[in-house]
Amino acid sequence: GNSVTQMEGPVTLSEEAFLTINCTYTATGYPSLFWYVQYPGEGLQLLLKATKADDKGSNKGFEATYRKETTSFHLEKGSVQVSDSAVYFCALVGGGSNYKLTFGKGTLLTVNP
Amino acid sequence: KAGVTQTPRYLIKTRGQQVTLSCSPISGHRSVSWYQQTPGQGLQFLFEYFSETQRNKGNFPGRFSGRQFSNSRSEMNVSTLELGDSALYLCASSLRTGPYEQYFGPGTRLTVT
Repeated sequence: GNSVTQMEGPVTLSEEAFLTINCTYTATGYPSLFWYVQYPGEGLQLLLKATKADDKGSNKGFEATYRKETTSFHLEKGSVQVSDSAVYFCALVGGGSNYKLTFGKGTLLTVNP
Repeated sequence: KAGVTQTPRYLIKTRGQQVTLSCSPISGHRSVSWYQQTPGQGLQFLFEYFSETQRNKGNFPGRFSGRQFSNSRSEMNVSTLELGDSALYLCASSLRTGPYEQYFGPGTRLTVT
């Protein structure tokens, strides 16, 4: 079946530091890949997506590139802010007819001033 | 455009009772999916509804059920509640069934005592 593995953290950074959260996946067919973010006490917000190999998703300074050869979709940001503190989830919707999202376990990011 | 809304936001129930949660998707969205989020198991798919039909189901017991109405609103029911059903229940909507991005509501926090 489909699965997503992401670094579990927690990750603690200082403001303006570079962020990488690793995500790798296993899926049948050609999945679509997503990063979601969850702030305390809230639901999940779609951060970015990529639907085919070599696509780069980007939003709010975050980027991730769909790498089919390494089955990866790592999240990066050049300069994090305190307001980026949240839990980040990597997810996929696999090929086939089951369109459920399969999530990684989430990575808690804390950014200190 | 209004986002996904879920009611109630918080709920406390006793073991053995049943509960109904409600979800209103983004206007124009016809697919609704439900997920359970717990610290131990993470985010797990419950089921998806599209055009009032259940399209996919996750690995949950029959105590978990749902339905979708003609206006795309969805309800989820859990009967004979167990302590382990305590979780954040998230509803997500998308334009239609398929490998498309899903937009999440704020969730319903269910506590079973």
